Amino acid sequence: QSVLTQPPSVSAAPGQKVTMSCSGGDSNVGRSYVFWYQQLPGTAPKLLIYDDDERPSGIPARFSGSKSGTSATLAITGLQTGDEAVYYCGSWDISLSAGVFGGGTKLTVL
Amino acid sequence: QVQLVESGGGVVQPGRSLRLSCAASEFTFGSYGMHWVRQAPGKGLEWVAYMWFDGSHIHYADPVKGRFTISRHNSQNTLYLQMNSLRAEDTAVYYCAREYNYMMDYWGRGTLVTVSS
Repeated sequence: QSVLTQPPSVSAAPGQKVTMSCSGGDSNVGRSYVFWYQQLPGTAPKLLIYDDDERPSGIPARFSGSKSGTSATLAITGLQTGDEAVYYCGSWDISLSAGVFGGGTKLTVL
Repeated sequence: QVQLVESGGGVVQPGRSLRLSCAASEFTFGSYGMHWVRQAPGKGLEWVAYMWFDGSHIHYADPVKGRFTISRHNSQNTLYLQMNSLRAEDTAVYYCAREYNYMMDYWGRGTLVTVSS
């Protein structure tokens, strides 16, 4: 049982937009930054979004993050088949003094 | 480009110990906190431990508290994870990752630990 809640899967057609949610609580998402990671099959996680809505250099503007209260959202526009991956949200829980992750959302580009 | 290379994984019997290493390069290792994160086969990410840049603060996930010890040698640019009293449920790929705002920015490729008799 993950501390952060993500839908197990989402899907959309190439070129379309998809959003995925990450729900937490007051001690993590509500008071700490949210990070998003992309894990392609057989590879290590890669930072996609940091500090709720910032993109590292090299990450396309197609990827965006937002947060409201204790929920965060990752949006991907102009979907490509290469975006098929599992996406994890993460945050620091200040009550647990621990890093916490969602269970991951598998994106399928139909 | 930041590089993190884990090593030390392998097959170990339940109850035995193993020490993982993470060699860091292309950044000032001693200025950054570091994490260990693991991923059991077919499962999601699980945070394991975090150490401040100077080793002054350490945090552990409950499942490993009292069995695992995170440490670092800043002059050698190396992070460690000493794992004792290993259990089958510790089987996972273990990643080291650089800290940014209490979470992770750069990740290594991971090293597989299999606990089995």
